[in-house]
Amino acid sequence: GAVVSQHPSRVICKSGTSVKIECRSLDFQATTMFWYRQFPKQSLMLMATSNEGSKATYEQGVEKDKFLINHASLTLSTLTVTSAHPEDSSFYICSARLGGAGGRSTDTQYFGPGTRLTVL
Amino acid sequence: DQQVKQNSPSLSVQEGRISILNCDYTNSMFDYFLWYKKYPAEGPTFLISISSIKDKNEDGRFTVFLNKSAKHLSLHIVPSQPGDSAVYFCAASYGGSNYKLTFGKGTLLTVNP
Repeated sequence: GAVVSQHPSRVICKSGTSVKIECRSLDFQATTMFWYRQFPKQSLMLMATSNEGSKATYEQGVEKDKFLINHASLTLSTLTVTSAHPEDSSFYICSARLGGAGGRSTDTQYFGPGTRLTVL
Repeated sequence: DQQVKQNSPSLSVQEGRISILNCDYTNSMFDYFLWYKKYPAEGPTFLISISSIKDKNEDGRFTVFLNKSAKHLSLHIVPSQPGDSAVYFCAASYGGSNYKLTFGKGTLLTVNP
């Protein structure tokens, strides 16, 4: 259980184009999904928290107009990198929180396999 | 200000022996802790977690110990296997953090055959 998928796994695009990454919880409903970015040999940096049916909450320093997040259903969140530039090249990972009542175990996040974005 | 610290960037262990990965935290509000394992170019995989009301949680070969007074937790892997070679991340959260996890920088574990 608790499987999260991401699509695409790898994308190469030209500078100035937009790229959409999908994150799906396959066997559970996720009221909250998270988007991270990982630079080489560094930890995961939280970009934003995505709540179903409401606007995403962005971390300080993350441009919300550049990284558009949509959480249209309980199983799907999308991240669109608009007008991508080479500095946006990175490994983007989503996660989904197992919702449900009671217990701090609902803080556990299950991660997708990641998307490698390369902007030329 | 790094609230979750993994001070050992790497650890090398012989197959069959115990691997001990350490994690320290500074935020006393943290009350839930998790360990994740990550292979290159993949997303992290959840391993085990512990609530602050406990000091030990065990799942198969993996045991997590929590020392609240020292703000320290550790992950023990016994026996270590070559397939355990990966980067291990410690993470923490607290009620009111809106379910956000704070991650350490990770420790690369290498288990030698």
